Amino acid sequence: GAGVSQSPSNKVTEKGKDVELRCDPISGHTALYWYRQSLGQGLEFLIYFQGNSAPDKSGLPSDRFSAERTGGSVSTLTIQRTQQEDSAVYLCASSSRDRVGGELFFGEGSRLTVL
Amino acid sequence: GIQVEQSPPDLILQEGANSTLRCNFSDSVNNLQWFHQNPWGQLINLFYIPSGTKQNGRLSATTVATERYSLLYISSSQTTDSGVYFCAVRGLEAGNTGKLIFGQGTTLQVKP
Repeated sequence: GAGVSQSPSNKVTEKGKDVELRCDPISGHTALYWYRQSLGQGLEFLIYFQGNSAPDKSGLPSDRFSAERTGGSVSTLTIQRTQQEDSAVYLCASSSRDRVGGELFFGEGSRLTVL
Repeated sequence: GIQVEQSPPDLILQEGANSTLRCNFSDSVNNLQWFHQNPWGQLINLFYIPSGTKQNGRLSATTVATERYSLLYISSSQTTDSGVYFCAVRGLEAGNTGKLIFGQGTTLQVKP
C-alpha cells in the first residue's frame, strides 16, 4: 500500500478481554516495528521484526503481550487479559532497511481504551 | 543504551517568529529522524538526517554527528506548526537491532 495501515483505529474494551491490533506495512518493507504511546508521553519501543522473525522483543512489557508477522508483511499485536494501564495509542512503523539505516514511516495508530 | 534529550520541553511562539529545537544523543548513530506529531496524533516525517544539513520549505535541520547533536529550525512559524516535535535515533552500539529511540519531545504552540 501507499502507507502503513493500522486497524482498528479505535478500540474500547473491558478489562480482562483480549485484543488484536493489525499492521499492514508499506509494500516491500522488510522491517516492522511496534511502539506504544501513553497519554502525553513519548514513544516506547515494543518489538521489531525483520521478515517474519523478531530479533528484538525487549520492549514487550509483560507476557500478556505478543506479536507475530506472517508472509513478511502483515503483523498482529495481541494483548491478553487487558488491564487499564494498557490504554495507549499503539503505533506501527516500517522501513526498507534495518540495522544499516533507513527511514521509518509510521501508521496513524490504534487507540486502545481499557475500561 | 543510547540516550536522547530534547530541548526545550515546551515552546510558545507568536506567529511569524523563528525557533530552534535541539536534540542531543549519547552515542554514534546511523539514523536520526525528526517527526512532527500533529494534534490528531499522526507522526509526520520531517527529516531523515543522520548527518549534514537539509531544508524543506520553512524547515531545515542540521546534524553534527561527531558532536552528537541535531538542530531543527522553524522559520516564519504558523499556527499549523503547533504540536509535538520528536527526535529519534538509531544507535550503532553493539547489539542494537535497529529500533529508533525517541526523545521526550518539544511541545510547540504557535499563537496567532
